[in-house]
Amino acid sequence: EIVMTQSPATLSVSPGERATLSCRASQSVSSNLAWYQQKPGQAPRLLIYGASTRATGIPARFSGSGSGTEFTLTISSLQSEDFAVYYCQQYNNWLPLTFGGGTKVEIK
Amino acid sequence: EVQLVQSGAEVKKPGESLKISCKGSGYSFTSYWIGWVRQMPGKGLEWMGIIYPGDSDTRYSPSFQGQVTISADKSISTAYLQWSSLKASDTAMYYCARHLHTAMVTWGWFDPWGQGTLVTVSS
Repeated sequence: EIVMTQSPATLSVSPGERATLSCRASQSVSSNLAWYQQKPGQAPRLLIYGASTRATGIPARFSGSGSGTEFTLTISSLQSEDFAVYYCQQYNNWLPLTFGGGTKVEIK
Repeated sequence: EVQLVQSGAEVKKPGESLKISCKGSGYSFTSYWIGWVRQMPGKGLEWMGIIYPGDSDTRYSPSFQGQVTISADKSISTAYLQWSSLKASDTAMYYCARHLHTAMVTWGWFDPWGQGTLVTVSS
């Protein structure tokens, strides 16, 4: 099983600032990585797939990068609606699919 | 609009059985895998398993194999997650989600997600 590790667990950021979230895989997953946003009381929402492709309707301030074992989600200028928990998920060619433990982005 | 609508919250006692549902609309239900994801209170996301409604091919996470059963009724565009004997540790929010992938890889990501079904197991 591929283990996904996200850091930091909590990120305190002021509105308008840049947020950088990390996700590490225990072995290479190529570019087979997705990012999701989850707000309190809501279902997760797809942000990024293929490590860097934004899903339909996702603002350009969200960007993903990386390949192999190291990935980054960057939110260029945090808006109030961006404070949430973010999860990465790998989907390399074998099961099980696995998620990271999440990074909570909170208001500083 | 592609949508997954899940059944409502459940409160059960340990040892009881339960089947929750996830109804898809706005797309060809038989052409996409549907996955199930658990989220225990205050915790992260755990992939449980996945089913292809077209032929009911089903795969499970080793952590959930034998603990739950995933099924689908393509005639009514609905996937199911069921337990034969609930435990208190099954208390969680359960999400279904449509699985998407490119031609380059076998597996992929999830979009959209259902609204979730909260299952509470307590004596």
